[in-house]
Amino acid sequence: GENVEQHPSTLSVQEGDSAVIKCTYSDSASNYFPWYKQELGKRPQLIIDIRSNVGEKKDQRIAVTLNKTAKHFSLHITETQPEDSAVYFCAVGTGGFKTIFGAGTRLFVKA
Amino acid sequence: DTAVSQTPKYLVTQMGNDKSIKCEQNLGHDTMYWYKQDSKKFLKIMFSYNNKELIINETVPNRFSPKSPDKAHLNLHINSLELGDSAVYFCASSRTSGRAHNEQFFGPGTRLTVL
Repeated sequence: GENVEQHPSTLSVQEGDSAVIKCTYSDSASNYFPWYKQELGKRPQLIIDIRSNVGEKKDQRIAVTLNKTAKHFSLHITETQPEDSAVYFCAVGTGGFKTIFGAGTRLFVKA
Repeated sequence: DTAVSQTPKYLVTQMGNDKSIKCEQNLGHDTMYWYKQDSKKFLKIMFSYNNKELIINETVPNRFSPKSPDKAHLNLHINSLELGDSAVYFCASSRTSGRAHNEQFFGPGTRLTVL
């Protein structure tokens, strides 16, 4: 079955710096790659997603890049702010209805 | 106007008891999910229903039984609760378009503590 690995598990950056989180997957039939943000005590919420026919997508300070050949995708957050501090999950939508989540990255943005 | 709601928000119970968690979505979605999030924050799919039909059933003990009375509801019943069942349980829903995945909307979670 699909295997999703996410790195790093913890990331600490200074306010204003960029943060990059990377995920790799194993199933070449996977076609949907969302990123979810979960603040402390809250529910996961989608922040950006990309489909397999697109290589890059940007939404203000957030961007996602996808390399289908290498089977990896990354989340880029620029000009980080303290409110970006949260746990970020990558996920992979497989050929069926299943979405597999990465283990999460805890991002700390220091003011 | 809550999109995905769950009850109860907190559930504290003794080992061996049976409990249920209810989930409702008013988004008109046709696919619903149950996830378990453990203390390390790992989100693991348990079940998924599409149009009231079970389509995903991960290796979850038989003590867990989902029920979908209609497309808007997916309940989770747990028999003979064990200490290891302590976790936050999230319900989610999404719109299905063919076999294409779409954004999942999560409920607020139910924190289950088994003593």
